[in-house]
Amino acid sequence: GEDVEQSLFLSVREGDSSVINCTYTDSSSTYLYWYKQEPGAGLQLLTYIFSNMDMKQDQRLTVLLNKKDKHLSLRIADTQTGDSAIYFCAESTGGFKTIFGAGTRLFVKA
Amino acid sequence: DTAVSQTPKYLVTQMGNDKSIKCEQNLGHDTMYWYKQDSKKFLKIMFSYNNKELIINETVPNRFSPKSPDKAHLNLHINSLELGDSAVYFCASSQTRDRGYSSGNTIYFGEGSWLTVV
Repeated sequence: GEDVEQSLFLSVREGDSSVINCTYTDSSSTYLYWYKQEPGAGLQLLTYIFSNMDMKQDQRLTVLLNKKDKHLSLRIADTQTGDSAIYFCAESTGGFKTIFGAGTRLFVKA
Repeated sequence: DTAVSQTPKYLVTQMGNDKSIKCEQNLGHDTMYWYKQDSKKFLKIMFSYNNKELIINETVPNRFSPKSPDKAHLNLHINSLELGDSAVYFCASSQTRDRGYSSGNTIYFGEGSWLTVV
């Protein structure tokens, strides 16, 4: 079946890089997403990657996709306290169902 | 302008009551969703409507009844509220795209409705 797994917690120091990892099971996944949820707010789309890509960079964010291992990662360079949030990995086959991971809680220490 | 808006943002109600949460999207999308996020922040899809037609109906008690009067609205009505219904309910929308489109059917979320049943 479809499943998305990610570690629940990550703690980094301000200024360091954060790497949040995700694995998925559906080999037909075509689209993979990273969402950010700040306290008391909804999920905000951060970035996405199409399955025919290996990497996507957007300012401080770098997404790496290893389709063979079904592994997705999100790297945040120069992590700031404002980056503290829950980060959700999600996969979709392009249909109506998008599967979300449990979310990784990122704590940034000043 | 808020793309996906839902009301109310906060709702505190007693067990046994009936309540509704309304949702509207102004993105012109053809698909809308209701998700439930529990206290551990796990996100679970409840329903999805495409062009006002129910296409996803996960294992949800039939006390929950979605209604889509048009493509831009998807309301959630809950009968006989129980303590376990306390959660954050997110409305969301997306636009169906052909397979191969670079961003897929990216889902856009509302800000959430915090429901507390006492």
